[in-house]
Amino acid sequence: DAMVIQNPRYQVTQFGKPVTLSCSQTLNHNVMYWYQQKSSQAPKLLFHYYDKDFNNEADTPDNFQSRRPNTSFCFLDIRSPGLGDAAMYLCATSRPWSGEQYFGPGTRLTVT
Amino acid sequence: AQSVTQLGSHVSVSEGALVLLRCNYSSSVPPYLFWYVQYPNQGLQLLLKYTTGATLVKGINGFEAEFKKSETSFHLTKPSAHMSDAAEYFCAVSDAYSGGGADGLTFGKGTHLIIQP
Repeated sequence: DAMVIQNPRYQVTQFGKPVTLSCSQTLNHNVMYWYQQKSSQAPKLLFHYYDKDFNNEADTPDNFQSRRPNTSFCFLDIRSPGLGDAAMYLCATSRPWSGEQYFGPGTRLTVT
Repeated sequence: AQSVTQLGSHVSVSEGALVLLRCNYSSSVPPYLFWYVQYPNQGLQLLLKYTTGATLVKGINGFEAEFKKSETSFHLTKPSAHMSDAAEYFCAVSDAYSGGGADGLTFGKGTHLIIQP
């Protein structure tokens, strides 16, 4: 089945230690998104890629970066995680102009 | 700018009773509207969507929603609740025209649906 895959499902990192979360898709969608969802809150868009064009939300901290080496993969890099970055990170994909987004299962990040 | 308001952070219904989850939105342009469900420690699953056309949309698991432009609402209903419906429900909006075809979703704060046996 075509899908969005996120690895790992659970990630523990230390305060200030860089961490990378990965997302892959078999849907061949042009657009990939990263959302942050803190406990009992709604998902919040961090940034998205339309093909290789990167679009950062205005309030996304500089600590968060992203890479998309090809259509299938997208990475979220957190350069120096703080305790406040502990959250569920959701990857999603879509076709342009469809509006509908397909979500992966998420990676829950714990910062110790 | 878009926004979504979900009335009631928690809704409790009895098994077999009607489920009604409320969603109101604001958007300066025609919106795309969505309902997603999230089970604990999982991603979001699309229940249904409205883009254009028929204002009453049917989704998975017996859910449906009606787009009412005059009321700027997109309430989610299910005639008979099942224990497996217990989850977090998010209403979301995207801008149909901007973002170059790639507009992120703006979510409401979510409604936790509790099913009483």
